[in-house]
Amino acid sequence: DQQVKQNSPSLSVQEGRISILNCDYTNSMFDYFLWYKKYPAEGPTFLISISSIKDKNEDGRFTVFLNKSAKHLSLHIVPSQPGDSAVYFCAASAGYNDMRFGAGTRLTVKP
Amino acid sequence: EAGVVQSPRYKIIEKKQPVAFWCNPISGHNTLYWYRQNLGQGPELLIRYENEEAVDDSQLPKDRFSAERLKGVDSTLKIQPAELGDSAVYLCASSYSPLVNEQYFGPGTRLTVT
Repeated sequence: DQQVKQNSPSLSVQEGRISILNCDYTNSMFDYFLWYKKYPAEGPTFLISISSIKDKNEDGRFTVFLNKSAKHLSLHIVPSQPGDSAVYFCAASAGYNDMRFGAGTRLTVKP
Repeated sequence: EAGVVQSPRYKIIEKKQPVAFWCNPISGHNTLYWYRQNLGQGPELLIRYENEEAVDDSQLPKDRFSAERLKGVDSTLKIQPAELGDSAVYLCASSYSPLVNEQYFGPGTRLTVT
């Protein structure tokens, strides 16, 4: 069963604008959430994470928001750059148990 | 610092043939993971090692898949015999502790079974 869902397989934005990638989860035991970025022919690279005790975490142009009541998290990239074009995976874990990944969203940032 | 190394990067075999993948984790990383990523999906865990011990292999299809991590460093994942449905990217990841959620992934091995 898909415990982590990314319902948008792709997203296209203009350079300089905001990119918002969404992720929903079903398991209420998840308490740690991560975003990974993946370029073609490379493995996923850790981008940013958030613990369930927070509702926001920021790192430069990247911000992750967590809405526990809605079981929803989002990744905001501001401003978007062409180099951000990649596949973004949302992942979640319960304690230090293994991560469950979403199917990914392909982001294209147009110059 | 060198990242997670995997080989080969690509492998094409006929069904019923055996195949093996190799992974060298980041130095000092005691926890090693093997994932399988099917086309259009996210990675799915196959097995997790703490040093040389397999602590979670519940998702490993044990009739045809096997893995080992001798001396708690390098690891090998084997499929014998391969089936058409095994075509996927096999990713290796490592972390320095099971208490760390961030994992570092290798580039993966793309397996095509014909």
